[in-house]
Amino acid sequence: DIQMTQSPSSLSASVGDRVTITCRASQSISSYLNWYQQKPGKAPKLLIYAASSLQSGVPSRFSGSGSGTDFTLTISSLQPEDFATYYCQQSYSALTWTFGQGTKVEIK
Amino acid sequence: QVQLVESGGGVVQPGRSLRLSCAASGFTFSSYGMHWVRQAPGKGLEWVAVIWYDGSNKFYADSVKGRFTISRDNSKNTLYLQMNSLRAEDTAVYYCARGDSDRLDAFDIWGQGTMVTVSS
Repeated sequence: DIQMTQSPSSLSASVGDRVTITCRASQSISSYLNWYQQKPGKAPKLLIYAASSLQSGVPSRFSGSGSGTDFTLTISSLQPEDFATYYCQQSYSALTWTFGQGTKVEIK
Repeated sequence: QVQLVESGGGVVQPGRSLRLSCAASGFTFSSYGMHWVRQAPGKGLEWVAVIWYDGSNKFYADSVKGRFTISRDNSKNTLYLQMNSLRAEDTAVYYCARGDSDRLDAFDIWGQGTMVTVSS
């Protein structure tokens, strides 16, 4: 099975900061990497698919990059509504889908 | 609007069964693969199962294989998860989600979730 490892597990940042979260796959997954945002008590929301494509309606301050095994989610200027937990997910394997363990973005 | 609504969660004793439902609306349900994802209290997301758009293929996480069965009724726009031999570690919020092949199988639509508690 493909394992997904996110770092850091949590971070503290201020409004306006640039935030970067990384995700590493245990084997190459091409660009089959997605990012989700989850707020407490809510369902996850798709932010980025295919490593770098912005889901409709998602603010342009969110961006994704990478291919193969190493990927990055960047928030260019953190906003109050961005404090949440972020998950990466591989969809390369058509038999199983794997999430990273999550990165909690907290207010500094 | 495009929507998924889960139901069927509750409190159940270990070893018993429960069936979850996910009602879809606002899109052509029969054109999409569908997934179940769960989240134990305070934990991360765990993919549980997938069913192809036409029900022809089903795959499961190792943690539920042999105990859970995913199915769908395209005439009723409804996805199901039959959960047998439930264990305490199955306690979680269960979400249904739509897989979009146009987005490299990302999960673009999610339900609100239904809580399953396995406890004696």
